[in-house]
Amino acid sequence: GESVGLHLPTLSVQEGDNSIINCAYSNSASDYFIWYKQESGKGPQFIIDIRSNMDKRQGQRVTVLLNKTVKHLSLQIAATQPGDSAVYFCAETHGNNRLAFGKGNQVVVIP
Amino acid sequence: EPEVTQTPSHQVTQMGQEVILRCVPISNHLYFYWYRQILGQKVEFLVSFYNNEISEKSEIFDDQFSVERPDGSNFTLKIRSTKLEDSAMYFCASSGGMNTEAFFGQGTRLTVV
Repeated sequence: GESVGLHLPTLSVQEGDNSIINCAYSNSASDYFIWYKQESGKGPQFIIDIRSNMDKRQGQRVTVLLNKTVKHLSLQIAATQPGDSAVYFCAETHGNNRLAFGKGNQVVVIP
Repeated sequence: EPEVTQTPSHQVTQMGQEVILRCVPISNHLYFYWYRQILGQKVEFLVSFYNNEISEKSEIFDDQFSVERPDGSNFTLKIRSTKLEDSAMYFCASSGGMNTEAFFGQGTRLTVV
């Protein structure tokens, strides 16, 4: 299986700027997608989800975009704050509850 | 706010020993899961459990692993004879329905020496 090892793609962003994190998924049958945030030493924390019948969903300061044509998912964080520093994982599932997690992206917010 | 709780937070065990990782899912949830995360890697699915039986398991979940819901609140993962490569963070999760948000616990760090 895939392994990211100890080197995650890292996005450094200035506090107050917007962040965009991208994720490519492989299963065209996937119908439910979730973004999770993981802080060091903690479990994944739900941020936002989207179903395959939608292409955009907004939450508080976050927006998820889904492009099924190219199997791409993105997470936009508005006005990034220091508390947003974490690893962000996308996850997908299709017809069951087995989540397949992506490789993760490290976001570092610079004060 | 309801949460998934896991105990212990850290378990050190000798190779070949049995370990039981414990979880209390959110009380009205029906689906329960175990995932693991080897240090620095992505989260990997182990097993899902619904209606008192395993509904799906991954290739990682071999005969050394078992799950149980011994009462109305606990959900356990047993590793019968631990190996060094079982060292990882083990996360329990639960969800209320199919294709709904899964809530994760804080994890148990298992170290096999």
